[in-house]
Amino acid sequence: DIQMTQSPSSLSASVGDRVTITCRASQSITSYLNWYQQRPGKAPNLLIYAASNLQSGVPSRFSGSGSGTDFTLTISSLQPEDSATYYCQQSLSSPWTFGQGTKVEVK
Amino acid sequence: QVQVVESGGGVVQPGRSLRLSCAGSGFTFHSYAMHWVRQAPGKGLEWVAVVSSDAANKYYADSVKGRFSISRDNSKNTLYLQMNSLRPEDTAVYYCARAEYARSCYYMDVWGKGTTVTVSS
Repeated sequence: DIQMTQSPSSLSASVGDRVTITCRASQSITSYLNWYQQRPGKAPNLLIYAASNLQSGVPSRFSGSGSGTDFTLTISSLQPEDSATYYCQQSLSSPWTFGQGTKVEVK
Repeated sequence: QVQVVESGGGVVQPGRSLRLSCAGSGFTFHSYAMHWVRQAPGKGLEWVAVVSSDAANKYYADSVKGRFSISRDNSKNTLYLQMNSLRPEDTAVYYCARAEYARSCYYMDVWGKGTTVTVSS
């Protein structure tokens, strides 16, 4: 199975800050990497697919990059509504594994 | 609008069975593979199972293999998860999600609100 490891596990940042979350795969997954946001008590919401493609309706302050084993999710200017847990997920092969999540707190 | 709605959750004793349903609407249900994903209380997301659009192919997480069965009825636009031999560690919110495909990559683009399963005596 492909293991997905995110860092950090949590972070706290101020409104307007640039935030970066890292996701590392245990083997190359080329660009089969997706990012989801989950606000407390809500279902996950797709942000980025295929490593760098912004899902329709998602604010442009979110961006994704990387390929192979190392990926990043960047929020260019953190907003209060970005307080959530963020998950990466690989779709190269079954089982479709998720990272453990990164909890983002907005100060 | 495009949506999926889960139902069938509840409280069940260990060793018993439960069937979850997920109704799709606003899209051509039979054209999409569908997933089940779960989230135990206070924990992260865990992928459970996926079924192809024509139900010919099914894959499972090791944690549920042999106990859970995913299926679909395209005439009813409905996805199912039959859960047998339930364990306390199966307690979770269960989400169904649509599998979209673009840029040579599968991803889950439509999620339901989830249905809660509690396994307890």
